[in-house]
Amino acid sequence: AQKITQTQPGMFVQEKEAVTLDCTYDTSDQSYGLFWYKQPSSGEMIFLIYQGSYDEQNATEGRYSLNFQKARKSANLVISASQLGDSAMYFCAMREFLESGRDDKIIFGKGTRLHILP
Amino acid sequence: DSGVTQTPKHLITATGQRVTLRCSPRSGDLSVYWYQQSLDQGLQFLIQYYNGEERAKGNILERFSAQQFPDLHSELNLSSLELGDSALYFCASSASTGKREKLFFGSGTQLSVL
Repeated sequence: AQKITQTQPGMFVQEKEAVTLDCTYDTSDQSYGLFWYKQPSSGEMIFLIYQGSYDEQNATEGRYSLNFQKARKSANLVISASQLGDSAMYFCAMREFLESGRDDKIIFGKGTRLHILP
Repeated sequence: DSGVTQTPKHLITATGQRVTLRCSPRSGDLSVYWYQQSLDQGLQFLIQYYNGEERAKGNILERFSAQQFPDLHSELNLSSLELGDSALYFCASSASTGKREKLFFGSGTQLSVL
């Protein structure tokens, strides 16, 4: 079963507009972490923002914010005032701890390719 | 620069061959993760090591194996290569396995199997 779902394979947004990238997840754990990464055309993976399942407030990092709705199991990334340099692939990821409590893995969604139009 | 070093950056080989991908984690990071990124599959988790010990396994093929050495560097061995193994292979590291620990990624090894 897919654990991280990003329903938007691609998006086109006008420069300076805000954009929301969707992410839903599936876990039975109460304690987990959610991440967003950016992958520009150069290929590197860049950490953007983190949200813990017990964090009371939505995470923010500069122009990035995370709209965390725990009951809906969604963790949407919001980019305010988009810039041309925001054109990239964006991945949502979840860190979960396996049954043993010792093991963990971070799983990624399939990503959303964002195109910012001038 | 994430501090994670992967070598080589590019690798071209033939079907049936065996290759080794190398990863040096950030200084002090104990946990190493391997991911495979194919064009339409996103990042697939392969395997995770923590301080030399295998901790979690994903959809890693039996033809693939990995290990983490005492100096914490890790190697991913891919054998009997097939065309479908062509992908970008990422190594990532984190300080520990705490919930808040984010991954730092290397620049990846682009493997092309011809």
